[in-house]
Amino acid sequence: NAGVTQTPKFQVLKTGQSMTLQCAQDMNHNSMYWYRQDPGMGLRLIYYSASEGTTDKGEVPNGYNVSRLNKREFSLRLESAAPSQTSVYFCASRRTSGGATDTQYFGPGTRLTVL
Amino acid sequence: AQSVTQLDSQVPVFEEAPVELRCNYSSSVSVYLFWYVQYPNQGLQLLLKYLSGSTLVESINGFEAEFNKSQTSFHLRKPSVHISDTAEYFCAVTIQGGKLIFGQGTELSVKP
Repeated sequence: NAGVTQTPKFQVLKTGQSMTLQCAQDMNHNSMYWYRQDPGMGLRLIYYSASEGTTDKGEVPNGYNVSRLNKREFSLRLESAAPSQTSVYFCASRRTSGGATDTQYFGPGTRLTVL
Repeated sequence: AQSVTQLDSQVPVFEEAPVELRCNYSSSVSVYLFWYVQYPNQGLQLLLKYLSGSTLVESINGFEAEFNKSQTSFHLRKPSVHISDTAEYFCAVTIQGGKLIFGQGTELSVKP
């Protein structure tokens, strides 16, 4: 049981390049989330997927797209990377059968630098 | 709108000293409150959570937090810290749909 896994762990991009961050969970969770973490700002929600087949914008969605490929996988795409997207990205998942009280479980993160 | 404020960005303490990490929230509705811990170069792990019932909740490694509705606070405490407690701590509140709103984080640095 690996929990939530993310690939890659590190990435350096040039401005304008594109890339996809991958996330997978093996806990049969319904909901999945993408956050970015910046110093002094905590974690901010980019996009989330309440269930397979649905996605919704979070607090900071501009410049990102997501795909809920199946129940296990939720990817985040940067179409044209900008230096402002330099950050640490975390994926999380949650069961949801217990409602809002269910715990979110986090992956180890992807450190992205955009030059 | 809900928000979470962690009042200290950095808290340096000596080993075996007590510590309190402060967290205040604002919400017009009932909320669920969480503390997450992030060890260096790792993801976030749940430390403890308040859902309902007793206002004092405890974690397995000696931390506790008290929900104070009148002061809209959920401060985290430990009576005696260890070097291994060095980490960043995040307070969070759950809103509609189970989404989390995080505070800015508090870096706890335990010195020998």
